[in-house]
Amino acid sequence: NAGVTQTPKFQVLKTGQSMTLQCAQDMNHNSMYWYRQDPGMGLRLIYYSASEGTTDKGEVPNGYNVSRLNKREFSLRLESAAPSQTSVYFCASLGQGVTEAFFGQGTRLTVV
Amino acid sequence: AQSVTQLGSHVSVSEGALVLLRCNYSSSVPPYLFWYVQYPNQGLQLLLKYTSAATLVKGINGFEAEFKKSETSFHLTKPSAHMSDAAEYFCAVSKGGTSYGKLTFGQGTILTVHP
Repeated sequence: NAGVTQTPKFQVLKTGQSMTLQCAQDMNHNSMYWYRQDPGMGLRLIYYSASEGTTDKGEVPNGYNVSRLNKREFSLRLESAAPSQTSVYFCASLGQGVTEAFFGQGTRLTVV
Repeated sequence: AQSVTQLGSHVSVSEGALVLLRCNYSSSVPPYLFWYVQYPNQGLQLLLKYTSAATLVKGINGFEAEFKKSETSFHLTKPSAHMSDAAEYFCAVSKGGTSYGKLTFGQGTILTVHP
């Protein structure tokens, strides 16, 4: 049982490049989330998907897009990376009737 | 709007000493409160949660927290620190219901444990 799996674990991008962060969960959870973690700021919600086929903005959505590909997978796309997007990105999932979110191991992204 | 404030970005204790990590929240609705722990280069692991049942909540690894509505606090304690407790700790709040996963996090507190 892998839980929440994120790929890649590390990535370096040049300013203006695009990339997609992948997230998959094998717990049959309905809801999935993308957070970013920056020093001294905790984690902030970027986008979430309450169920398959729906996505909504969180606290810091600018510069990002998401796709809920199916119930298992929720991807985060940076169309034109900026240095301000250097961060650690966490995916999380939540099942119906469950009260706590489960987190992946994170993707450490550096934009130079 | 919800917010979480963790008092002290760094806390240092000796092995065997009491651990106290402070968390205050604000919420316009009854809050659901969580403490997560993050070890270096790892994801977040749930320590404990308050979801409107008992106000004193016991979690993993000997940690506990008490929900005090009058003080809007949810401080994390452990009677005796162990070296393996060194990590970063995050307090978080949600509105519950369909919003359990929409968490507002505090800034984090790095716990250092000295021999």
